[in-house]
Amino acid sequence: QKEVEQNSGPLSVPEGAIASLNCTYSDRGSQSFFWYRQYSGKSPELIMSIYSNGDKEDGRFTAQLNKASQYVSLLIRDSQPSDSATYLCALTGNTPLVFGKGTRLSVIA
Amino acid sequence: GAVVSQHPSRVICKSGTSVKIECRSLDFQATTMFWYRQFPKQSLMLMATSNEGSKATYEQGVEKDKFLINHASLTLSTLTVTSAHPEDSSFYICSVPYGTEQFFGPGTRLTVL
Repeated sequence: QKEVEQNSGPLSVPEGAIASLNCTYSDRGSQSFFWYRQYSGKSPELIMSIYSNGDKEDGRFTAQLNKASQYVSLLIRDSQPSDSATYLCALTGNTPLVFGKGTRLSVIA
Repeated sequence: GAVVSQHPSRVICKSGTSVKIECRSLDFQATTMFWYRQFPKQSLMLMATSNEGSKATYEQGVEKDKFLINHASLTLSTLTVTSAHPEDSSFYICSVPYGTEQFFGPGTRLTVL
């Protein structure tokens, strides 16, 4: 059974700081990894996907994947109050997405 | 990415009634759609996979006779919650795979009184 583990938080960071969100997973067969942002009362929004080891940058977001350690992370640079949300880690290996429980991020102005 | 709509966005019903939720893929044809349910402060739980032209595949513990899924066309899947009860109150979200990614509809908030 696939498991995706995230620290539920809340993770509080000051505005302008780097927020670091982490995720570990159990299934070594997982091939595709995603980070979704979910605002309260809204559905998840895809913000990053990563498929190979290393870093992938998109604007203020950087996803990092280490398949050997079964670890994927998301860095948010220059955090803004609008980044305050729950961040869901998800993965798949030719099956429907499996989600972690999410980490709640609070960016304090 | 894909554009996915859901209707209605919010519904309140009495216990024992049935509620239909529609999920539409607006800009491409989807042979597969997924239905998720999310309770407060919980993560998304996959309920079933909707397959165009064949029966839906339900996850373990999800009653297929209670949650009826019909993939009527390549752009429309419906979820009907039959004889709804207060414990069915939740946030129901559909998603559509697009390439290697998956995009979500805006969700339907169901409240059963």
